[in-house]
Amino acid sequence: GAGVSQSPRYKVAKRGQDVALRCDPISGHVSLFWYQQALGQGPEFLTYFQNEAQLDKSGLPSDRFFAERPEGSVSTLKIQRTQQEDSAVYLCASSLILGVSYEQYFGPGTRLTVT
Amino acid sequence: AQKITQTQPGMFVQEKEAVTLDCTYDTSDPSYGLFWYKQPSSGEMIFLIYQGSYDQQNATEGRYSLNFQKARKSANLVISASQLGDSAMYFCAMREGVGQAGTALIFGKGTTLSVSS
Repeated sequence: GAGVSQSPRYKVAKRGQDVALRCDPISGHVSLFWYQQALGQGPEFLTYFQNEAQLDKSGLPSDRFFAERPEGSVSTLKIQRTQQEDSAVYLCASSLILGVSYEQYFGPGTRLTVT
Repeated sequence: AQKITQTQPGMFVQEKEAVTLDCTYDTSDPSYGLFWYKQPSSGEMIFLIYQGSYDQQNATEGRYSLNFQKARKSANLVISASQLGDSAMYFCAMREGVGQAGTALIFGKGTTLSVSS
């Protein structure tokens, strides 16, 4: 079956440009998470959606970061006026709202390089 | 304070040997879940094993087992009979308040495992 997909896989942006990163979760998964993974570090939480509602955005590092999931499936993470410190791998994960362990299934990530 | 601590930046093991990757955690929530993920060089996070705070027995999944010591707040991953394909970064992670689907995973810094022939 299809897993979580993300696009693009790689993105190079010049400082100051806007970027949009897309996540297609597993069909039927209600919960969707975005994480940021800096080089050599573990992923860090950015934001969470339950269906189309953004219930937690406490991890977004600045107001340049914006995420949406308008129809409760595909999600887009947008970064405005990119800075070099935004360079990282952005991971998307989805999970069923029901289940014992609420396992999160991760996509392959988008590697963003800001030059 | 770090919620998840992985003290081994790198571990080296020979094929067919067992290896233990350390993880300690910190939480005051009585309900939590502990996860181990594998991240090969391709970048995708692969779920390996889960342990709930109320589970009485240590979790096992094939060659993976979790040595859960609740009083010591440790959740070490044991890989038996290592294979070359096990070479990857391994992350320990925790979710607090299991039962709330919206709780994000908190990850450690990871341990790089290298398996040699």
